[in-house]
Amino acid sequence: DGGITQSPKYLFRKEGQNVTLSCEQNLNHDAMYWYRQDPGQGLRLIYYSQIVNDFQKGDIAEGYSVSREKKESFPLTVTSAQKNPTAFYLCASSIGGQGKTTEAFFGQGTRLTVV
Amino acid sequence: AQSVAQPEDQVNVAEGNPLTVKCTYSVSGNPYLFWYVQYPNRGLQFLLKYITGDNLVKGSYGFEAEFNKSQTSFHLKKPSALVSDSALYFCAVRDPLSSSASKIIFGSGTRLSIRP
Repeated sequence: DGGITQSPKYLFRKEGQNVTLSCEQNLNHDAMYWYRQDPGQGLRLIYYSQIVNDFQKGDIAEGYSVSREKKESFPLTVTSAQKNPTAFYLCASSIGGQGKTTEAFFGQGTRLTVV
Repeated sequence: AQSVAQPEDQVNVAEGNPLTVKCTYSVSGNPYLFWYVQYPNRGLQFLLKYITGDNLVKGSYGFEAEFNKSQTSFHLKKPSALVSDSALYFCAVRDPLSSSASKIIFGSGTRLSIRP
């Protein structure tokens, strides 16, 4: 099936630990995104990547890191510096680029809980 | 910088009545605009988009949206609401000719509740 796969669906982390969320797509999309969703705050952009080996900070990048070594993969690491990491994390991809018209396609999300 | 505002946290409509979910945007150039729907604990599903051309765009599940450049709005509409339309709706914007053309910004979401 074509699409975006996020894993795991649920993740528990102890305070002070780093954790990495996986996002893989087989849509051959250039652009990939990470969003954080909290109740009542909508989707906030953490990082996005327009092309392999390039990524840009979004509105709430502090405490997070990403890499884009392969076109199909865009893992997100939640570091111990992130003060309040408990949230629902959504990965997305699109064809991207200047003048490109496509919408973003979303994975099913990872719910991270700090215990 | 681009931004999106959804002024209503919640919209309540009786089944069979028309519904409107409001969205306004801000970009430096001509925008690409999108509407998505989210059901509990799921990712977002694409409903429709405006790129250029006719100001009224039609999408999935009988939804449509009207682009108004002078009012910088892109309101989502449906002539007759169904109980199954109850969900969280997000408006989003891209600035396609900017150096960050792939960047997509979402609004805060509007919860649509349809009562039988």
